Amino acid sequence: DARVTQTPRHKVTEMGQEVTMRCQPILGHNTVFWYRQTMMQGLELLAYFRNRAPLDDSGMPKDRFSAEMPDATLATLKIQPSEPRDSAVYFCASGEGVTSTDTQYFGPGTRLTVL
Amino acid sequence: AQKITQTQPGMFVQEKEAVTLDCTYDTSDPSYGLFWYKQPSSGEMIFLIYQGSYDQQNATEGRYSLNFQKARKSANLVISASQLGDSAMYFCAMRETDQTGANNLFFGTGTRLTVIP
Repeated sequence: DARVTQTPRHKVTEMGQEVTMRCQPILGHNTVFWYRQTMMQGLELLAYFRNRAPLDDSGMPKDRFSAEMPDATLATLKIQPSEPRDSAVYFCASGEGVTSTDTQYFGPGTRLTVL
Repeated sequence: AQKITQTQPGMFVQEKEAVTLDCTYDTSDPSYGLFWYKQPSSGEMIFLIYQGSYDQQNATEGRYSLNFQKARKSANLVISASQLGDSAMYFCAMRETDQTGANNLFFGTGTRLTVIP
């Protein structure tokens, strides 16, 4: 049963600290997406990759957020320095392509709390 | 304008009954995909069903079916024979290709479904 995995599942940190979230996409999927979910904003697309190359990161605050795919089995989302307003659930999703018909499968999310 | 509109913040349904969750969308792209996801209290996002803009027939997946009315730009989710485990948030989403060629997935605000025993 192929699934997207994310670590950690929960993270509590203090303002100013660096946070790194990791995602392992489904084997064979060549697109990876990062989303953020908050009560106020709902689900927002932060960035996405195809074949490890960033295609769009316009939804991501550039000054503190960075997303990378060091290899096909690992995607990372880093926040440095973290702020209380970054508290949210961060989802990673993977898919087989970037066309409008391609389904995205979500990981369980990382619940981030910045104090 | 909102890309995806879900007008029902909350819905209640009796166990074993059918329920329809509404979703309307806005796009000028001829090629798009419509998706429904379920988010139970555990927080995970579970893919339920997909409908392509060129699909002639409504999509079905087990107890889930998508009532696709292209002219009305609606993509309602129908859950038949509701079960207690269906209680969750349901998100409608649309994927389109914008002018730059980028593909974006837009989510609605969700509908919280509660199944009553």
